[in-house]
Amino acid sequence: DVKVTQSSRYLVKRTGEKVFLECVQDMDHENMFWYRQDPGLGLRLIYFSYDVKMKEKGDIPEGYSVSREKKERFSLILESASTNQTSMYLCASTWAGGANEQFFGPGTRLTVL
Amino acid sequence: GEDVEQSLFLSVREGDSSVINCTYTDSSSTYLYWYKQEPGAGLQLLTYIFSNMDMKQDQRLTVLLNKKDKHLSLRIADTQTGDSAIYFCALNRGSTLGRLYFGRGTQLTVWP
Repeated sequence: DVKVTQSSRYLVKRTGEKVFLECVQDMDHENMFWYRQDPGLGLRLIYFSYDVKMKEKGDIPEGYSVSREKKERFSLILESASTNQTSMYLCASTWAGGANEQFFGPGTRLTVL
Repeated sequence: GEDVEQSLFLSVREGDSSVINCTYTDSSSTYLYWYKQEPGAGLQLLTYIFSNMDMKQDQRLTVLLNKKDKHLSLRIADTQTGDSAIYFCALNRGSTLGRLYFGRGTQLTVWP
């Protein structure tokens, strides 16, 4: 089975802190994605990566950055956390080609105080 | 406006069929997907359909695709309380990088 893991299920941080969210997949997927999910807004794509060290902005990249130094790991960085970044963060991965079905991690619920 | 639209809520009685609908504007998708999200969890892929198909059946799930009307539906037969969840429609819009475009999700509530 494909497994996508996220470093934390719940995280509480203070305004201004630097926050790292980690995602690891074990299926040698080329593409990895970070979304945030807010009630009534569905999933919004923050950033994605189609190869090591490659990244593309999604729909809401402001306030975030990403890092992909190894194929299996994709990190989301909040340089200076703000209260409006309180949200559920979901990581996903997929193969290049084929049906491109994305496999999701369990999510990290981040609260910024 | 939204590129992928879904009704936000649907309520059904246990044992009835549920039909969750999705409409979209872009006709370039090669694959269309249905995901399920249970409370506090990530998204789970339920099924997907290739754009040259009209229907796909998988046990209690039936996916119908009407390309002319740009309409995708998911029918769940004999709906159970365990089917209560949020259901997301997603399209790939021909993306070569694996990017998907999601609807806002439909909250399905199943009453005993």
